[in-house]
Amino acid sequence: EVQLVESGGGLVQPGRSLKLSCAASGFTFSNYYMAWVRQAPKKGLEWVATISTSGSRTYYPDSVKGRFTISRDNAKSSLYLQMNSLKSEDTATYYCARGNGGYWGQGVMVTVSS
Amino acid sequence: DVVMTQTPVSLPVSLGGQASISCRSSQSLVHSNGNTYLHWYLQKPGQSPQLLIYRVSNRFSGVPDRFSGSGSGTDFTLKISRVEPEDLGDYYCLQSTHFPPTFGGGTRLEL
Repeated sequence: EVQLVESGGGLVQPGRSLKLSCAASGFTFSNYYMAWVRQAPKKGLEWVATISTSGSRTYYPDSVKGRFTISRDNAKSSLYLQMNSLKSEDTATYYCARGNGGYWGQGVMVTVSS
Repeated sequence: DVVMTQTPVSLPVSLGGQASISCRSSQSLVHSNGNTYLHWYLQKPGQSPQLLIYRVSNRFSGVPDRFSGSGSGTDFTLKISRVEPEDLGDYYCLQSTHFPPTFGGGTRLEL
């Protein structure tokens, strides 16, 4: 059974950093592109980062480019999202997703507030 | 970025009835490889999104055949026949032909 379990969320002040993790199991992690998608409270979905199978290629929308870094450790079947210079508008539930969203984690809440 | 326009925003339905959701893109979603990367998701209340349809018309594993997707180019439709209680929630389309991937604004299917 495919499982994606996010961790690392919480309350953080504006301008600070936070790192999210996603532990994957039930499939060959190194064979899949992975992504982070977020959802602000009572809002729609926004794609925030994608990483290739080897980790050599990463993609970000302008809204997070230069502040967020996606990475992976295939040996540990783990995905990460380093979030720097956080803003209040980054407040959201962050989901780890496999490929084009065939499978999603349960999500982790990030609240950016002073 | 490709803008995905979903309609309607809210869709009242009756159990056992049919529902249709439209998703239009601001540019063609046909990739240079000939595929069209338009997908549909359902987010039930309090849950993560789940994939229903991938690449326009392919049902994901375990998705009942009451769900069907169609369309081409810039105009796509998700149809749900014989609506059941577990079908209620927010539906989203996603294009991943062009970077960055972009979602539609969502359609709430409700009684």
